[in-house]
Amino acid sequence: DGGITQSPKYLFRKEGQNVTLSCEQNLNHDAMYWYRQDPGQGLRLIYYSQIVNDFQKGDIAEGYSVSREKKESFPLTVTSAQKNPTAFYLCASSIDGSNQPQHFGDGTRLSIL
Amino acid sequence: AQSVTQPDIHITVSEGASLELRCNYSYGATPYLFWYVQSPGQGLQLLLKYFSGDTLVQGIKGFEAEFKRSQSSFNLRKPSVHWSDAAEYFCAVGAKGSSNTGKLIFGQGTTLQVKP
Repeated sequence: DGGITQSPKYLFRKEGQNVTLSCEQNLNHDAMYWYRQDPGQGLRLIYYSQIVNDFQKGDIAEGYSVSREKKESFPLTVTSAQKNPTAFYLCASSIDGSNQPQHFGDGTRLSIL
Repeated sequence: AQSVTQPDIHITVSEGASLELRCNYSYGATPYLFWYVQSPGQGLQLLLKYFSGDTLVQGIKGFEAEFKRSQSSFNLRKPSVHWSDAAEYFCAVGAKGSSNTGKLIFGQGTTLQVKP
């Protein structure tokens, strides 16, 4: 079945460490997104990419970086510059003309050690 | 300012009963409208979406929603709730145009509990 795979499901970061969250899709979707979800809040857009080798900052990009070297893959790096990284991170994709996420992965929960 | 309001934070219904989850939005024009469902520790699943056309939208799992422009509402309904429908439901709006890519505005969510 087609879908979005995020790994790992749980991730722990030490102070000063960069960590990378994986997002892979086999839906052949052009657009991919990264969101952050905090308790009691809706999703906030970190980065998005509409085509390979191109990506744009979302509303809360500071302290994060991404790459889009392949259509299927859109990894997110949480850098040491992100001072409050504890959150649930969701990757999503879409193919229709709405430019809005349609399919989501099951998320990665990042915590600080 | 653009906003989405889900007035009910928690709703409890009996299995087999009907369900309506409310969503009101404040927006300058007709946006794209979405309903998502999220089970604990899981990602979001798209239930249905409205872009244009017929204002009654059918979705997955027996859900439907009706867009009412005059009331700025997009309420989600299901005629008979199943225990597996217990989850958190999010209404979201998104503006048209490439400059608004991915920038959904979410409501606070409604947690649905289903009594046996």
